[in-house]
Amino acid sequence: DTAVSQTPKYLVTQMGNDKSIKCEQNLGHDTMYWYKQDSKKFLKIMFSYNNKELIINETVPNRFSPKSPDKAHLNLHINSLELGDSAVYFCASSQLLGPNYGYTFGSGTRLTVV
Amino acid sequence: GIQVEQSPPDLILQEGANSTLRCNFSDSVNNLQWFHQNPWGQLINLFYIPSGTKQNGRLSATTVATERYSLLYISSSQTTDSGVYFCAVGSGGSNYKLTFGKGTLLTVNP
Repeated sequence: DTAVSQTPKYLVTQMGNDKSIKCEQNLGHDTMYWYKQDSKKFLKIMFSYNNKELIINETVPNRFSPKSPDKAHLNLHINSLELGDSAVYFCASSQLLGPNYGYTFGSGTRLTVV
Repeated sequence: GIQVEQSPPDLILQEGANSTLRCNFSDSVNNLQWFHQNPWGQLINLFYIPSGTKQNGRLSATTVATERYSLLYISSSQTTDSGVYFCAVGSGGSNYKLTFGKGTLLTVNP
């Protein structure tokens, strides 16, 4: 069973379209995240949720709207896609700090806007 | 915000060699993790190590929090160790945000 699963794995779409990426974790973790990896492999936080509550919104444009229906799911909806949104989007989850603490990442969604 | 610098940016090794990757950070941290991104893009957590030393097989890590650096040691490297190694830190009492370094691209040749 995949611990953190994202769908779709690849997404190619035209500028101006609206798209969603889904993420689910079966680890029982309380916290979920969206990270963006650009073409130079730089990883940057977008959003953090803890028990369905938004904790971090890292100056992400309003066109990006996360939704967490329950603590096992964190989806990302993107409106009016732009060329600059092309990147790999990673979902991750973590439990409370402790000796076994650490992020578990999904396999990523490669978004290409044309 | 906190700055994270990793060195070297690129490293090429022959199989069987040892290596040390370094991560410097600009402020005190309460969270430090090392990740490996394999050539297929998968990010794997290697260590959670805000201080002290840990070992897992051929990999070990040491963080000296008072001096604001962490080291990742890879011994007897294998071609499957190739990929990008990221250091990521959390600070300011927040457990909800990691700031990543730019990574070290490791290539292990057979």
